[in-house]
Amino acid sequence: KAGVTQTPRYLIKTRGQQVTLSCSPISGHRSVSWYQQTPGQGLQFLFEYFSETQRNKGNFPGRFSGRQFSNSRSEMNVSTLELGDSALYLCASSLEIDQPQHFGDGTRLSIL
Amino acid sequence: GEDVEQSLFLSVREGDSSVINCTYTDSSSTYLYWYKQEPGAGLQLLTYIFSNMDMKQDQRLTVLLNKKDKHLSLRIADTQTGDSAIYFCAETRGSARQLTFGSGTQLTVLP
Repeated sequence: KAGVTQTPRYLIKTRGQQVTLSCSPISGHRSVSWYQQTPGQGLQFLFEYFSETQRNKGNFPGRFSGRQFSNSRSEMNVSTLELGDSALYLCASSLEIDQPQHFGDGTRLSIL
Repeated sequence: GEDVEQSLFLSVREGDSSVINCTYTDSSSTYLYWYKQEPGAGLQLLTYIFSNMDMKQDQRLTVLLNKKDKHLSLRIADTQTGDSAIYFCAETRGSARQLTFGSGTQLTVLP
């Protein structure tokens, strides 16, 4: 069974641009969550989706947004990129809302 | 301060047992998790325990939970060089689904 797949693995952008990251959950998993990992702030929750609805959102500015499609695949978008957005963005999926979360290998985003 | 705290570094000799500790502050914690992160990779779910349990064993891994002291530990028996990684403790609280992570413990296994 394939794990959580995130694309692309690496991305380089410049300040002011926008970016879209993609996540395909484990087959059959319906809940998808996103996390940001930085050396300074560690792992922080961004948002969670279930059945195409955002169920929960972390403490991030409105430049960070996401969505989930009917096949449970999810995308997150960051607009007007800032240097501080450089991070590893991790996607996690779970079978149902109250099940353990399994992570992908992440997208490493670098802002120049 | 952090809601979930871990020591930053741990070194052990190959073949010894490793014990990684974690403390949390929120008494409404429902599930507590241990994840492993190797360089350049995401987080691998190792094991988890429900807050009404005291202990869980899974092959070389033993999780102990002291709810009174809000202390969680992960014991790795017969530690191998392949166990070298960063280990994260995480919790979910009440009905909230998001994981709250500790800062991670870098485990180094010496030959």
